[in-house]
Order: sequence, then structure tokens, then C-alpha cells
Amino acid sequence: DSGVTQTPKHLITATGQRVTLRCSPRSGDLSVYWYQQSLDQGLQFLIQYYNGEERAKGNILERFSAQQFPDLHSELNLSSLELGDSALYFCASSVDRTNEKLFFGSGTQLSVL
Amino acid sequence: SQQGEEDPQALSIQEGENATMNCSYKTSINNLQWYRQNSGRGLVHLILIRSNEREKHSGRLRVTLDTSKKSSSLLITASRAADTASYFCATDDGSWGKLQFGAGTQVVVTP
Repeated sequence: DSGVTQTPKHLITATGQRVTLRCSPRSGDLSVYWYQQSLDQGLQFLIQYYNGEERAKGNILERFSAQQFPDLHSELNLSSLELGDSALYFCASSVDRTNEKLFFGSGTQLSVL
Repeated sequence: SQQGEEDPQALSIQEGENATMNCSYKTSINNLQWYRQNSGRGLVHLILIRSNEREKHSGRLRVTLDTSKKSSSLLITASRAADTASYFCATDDGSWGKLQFGAGTQVVVTP
């Protein structure tokens, strides 16, 4: 158990819908990262938050947004969903900003039908 | 885009054999990390090697780094069925969020 909690584990929805994925980092970790994993794109970095502030953006679509709350949990919002958004979404946390030793959650498997 | 490229894409070995996989990258790094992913589960950090280090060991794992060739290798000695997983290298250039993962090597260890 990595200590990173992601909910829900599975999500099935229809095109055009909006979903929210939730992540609770390890106790004491200040950085939260979101990654998308798919067969064709591999593991893609989406966004990083550090102590409540957005610090880095990767290949995140404009239809996607995220935030980190004062208690350090984070949410990833995906809207106007398309078939191609079907993927495994991971949250990871680390103790500081150095990108060293990320702890990953078990992921949310999103299926857009 | 992916910074690291693993080779081979897949590897099948028997228990007790050694497994070696390689990672090549393109730009300067602060450190390189290896992660393991069991089927459909979250990644688990295995080992980190800094740019000023050449070799590092952790249990049955040995990692080498050659910054002149921009490459790293991960050796798993005396493999076990439980080592069956995908292995990813990840390069860190020290910037915010810039931990880039390769496509992974899928390792199957048969009893």
C-alpha cells in the first residue's frame, strides 16, 4: 500500500459527460501529480501541484482541470468526455518538489462509452 | 512526449536467470529512476540514481548510468516469478513536474 488513495477505482460514463477523480496523497506529502496511462500514449504527465499551487503542466487538455485543496487532497475534473479519454488515471505524491521517489495510487480506470 | 526509451519492449526469462533492460534518453538529467508496475496497478519506485553516480545497488537490483551515452540499465539478478511486471525508467531534469516516463519493458518470469 503506497498510502495514496484514489477514488473511484472504476468509472464508466458516456461521451459528453463530466467526471471528477479524487486523490488523497500520503500523509505529509506536499506534491501531487496526475498522470494518464493509455496503450497508445504510454504514461503522460498531466499536472503537478505543490502545497496547493499549480506548479507544472504537461499534456493536459483544456477540457481537463485540476486543483489541490488546503488539506492537500486533489481532484482532476474531466469534461466533455470523448472516447479517446478512456485510460487509467494515476495520482502520485511526493514529499517535496524534487520529483524524487513518487508514490502512486492504484489508479482510476475511466471508460468512456 | 516521452524522454526515456526502454529496450527491449518485452523480455521473457526463466526463474533464476538475470533480466537486463536498458533506457536511453535525450536531454540532460538530474537523476534517473526506475519504477515497476504490476498489471493494471500503480507504479512502485525501485531505485534512483543521480547524474553524478555511475552504479547503484538495491537488493537484487543493479542500476548503471552512463551520462555520456545518455543511457541506463537495470539488472535484476536471480529473477523470481514475482518479478513479472512492466519496468519503466523515468528521467528528471529537476524542473517542476518534469519526471518523464518511458514506454516500459514488459518482463515475464516463468517458473
